[in-house]
Amino acid sequence: GAVVSQHPSRVICKSGTSVKIECRSLDFQATTMFWYRQFPKKSLMLMATSNEGSKATYEQGVEKDKFLINHASLTLSTLTVTSAHPEDSSFYICSAQGGGGRSYEQYFGPGTRLTVT
Amino acid sequence: SQQGEEDPQALSIQEGENATMNCSYKTSINNLQWYRQNSGRGLVHLILIRSNEREKHSGRLRVTLDTSKKSSSLLITASRAADTASYFCATDARNYGQNFVFGPGTRLSVLP
Repeated sequence: GAVVSQHPSRVICKSGTSVKIECRSLDFQATTMFWYRQFPKKSLMLMATSNEGSKATYEQGVEKDKFLINHASLTLSTLTVTSAHPEDSSFYICSAQGGGGRSYEQYFGPGTRLTVT
Repeated sequence: SQQGEEDPQALSIQEGENATMNCSYKTSINNLQWYRQNSGRGLVHLILIRSNEREKHSGRLRVTLDTSKKSSSLLITASRAADTASYFCATDARNYGQNFVFGPGTRLSVLP
């Protein structure tokens, strides 16, 4: 199957700093990428949907100025958590969709664990 | 509205037993997928079943889909301790590009 990578896998940062998380589709072109957030022992919650070359669509309750998403190419999307606070500590997972006849299938990255101290 | 709601939310079985998890959803779908997530790790894709399919197998996994009841089940046969994980179903709506909606998941514990 298709491969999606995320970097970094773990990051610890101090309150007030910004953190960038990368999501890459390694062997296909992702026309759409999704960013999810997962709290401990909870399911994934969609944060935003980004299409290559256009602005991301954020879900209700997600601050677009705090969670900056850039989808500059068909293989890379980035999520920047700006001015991070301890409540932003979470597991962030991206998924990528697109490419060929199975364009509706999504492939998930391994996730990034963010800890804000 | 919430789709892909799994039950039970927690399941504990002995090694060698079968584990069955169910998923219900509310709207028409293109396909339904099951994922596994080990604690603190990313999602692992298990099986995709399309709306015109009724059953699919992959190794020890068997997935059924009943679109009339808007439900799916995941059966893991001859469970192993390594199957301990959370299992999620995810559904997509009939609109192209619609994101997947995940249920809360079933936490499966397989005891040795």
